[in-house]
Amino acid sequence: EVQLLESGGGLVQPGGSLRLSCAASGFTFNSYAMSWVRQAPGKGLEWVSIVSGSGSSTYYADSVKGRFTISRDNSKNTLYLQMNSLRAEDTAVYYCAKDCSSSFGGFDYWGQGTLVTVSS
Amino acid sequence: QLVLTQSPSASASLGASVKLTCTLSSGHSSYAIAWHQQQPEKGPRYLMKLNSDGSHSKGDGIPDRFSGSRSGAERYLTISSLQSEDEADYYCQTWGTGIQVFGGGTKLTVL
Repeated sequence: EVQLLESGGGLVQPGGSLRLSCAASGFTFNSYAMSWVRQAPGKGLEWVSIVSGSGSSTYYADSVKGRFTISRDNSKNTLYLQMNSLRAEDTAVYYCAKDCSSSFGGFDYWGQGTLVTVSS
Repeated sequence: QLVLTQSPSASASLGASVKLTCTLSSGHSSYAIAWHQQQPEKGPRYLMKLNSDGSHSKGDGIPDRFSGSRSGAERYLTISSLQSEDEADYYCQTWGTGIQVFGGGTKLTVL
């Protein structure tokens, strides 16, 4: 059974940093790309970033480029999102999602999400 | 620019069928998409993928009441024999090199 478990969310002040983790199990982690997707309160889904199965390719939404860094540790089956220079508009539930391919092919599993609140 | 357009809301009666639409932007009519369901206060759940050749694949445990189809730049999700638990937000998703795109979502109300 595929499981994705996010952690690391919380309350942080504007300009602060936070690192999210997503522990994966039930599939061959290094064979699939992984993404972070966020959902602001009352809003729709917004893709944030993706990393290829090997970790060699990463891409970001314009809204987070230069502030967020996605990475993965295939030896630990864990996905990360380092978030710096956080803004109020980054407040959202952050989900990790498994791609159906090693590069880009749409998501076939989601985590339950972790809430990030940016506020003073 | 790769964009997906969905109607904000839809409604249908218990036991009836409903067809939700997701439209790909100009120049992208051959793209594959995925459909996801998000029930109230829950995370998203993958429903199915509609491939560019018209084939589709469903997620684990997705009932036969959920089906997908396509016509030109439009992609459809049909839900038959509507049940109360089908009341949810439905999102379509597509992708290209280095980008993932979601539609704005359709809020389905089961009357």
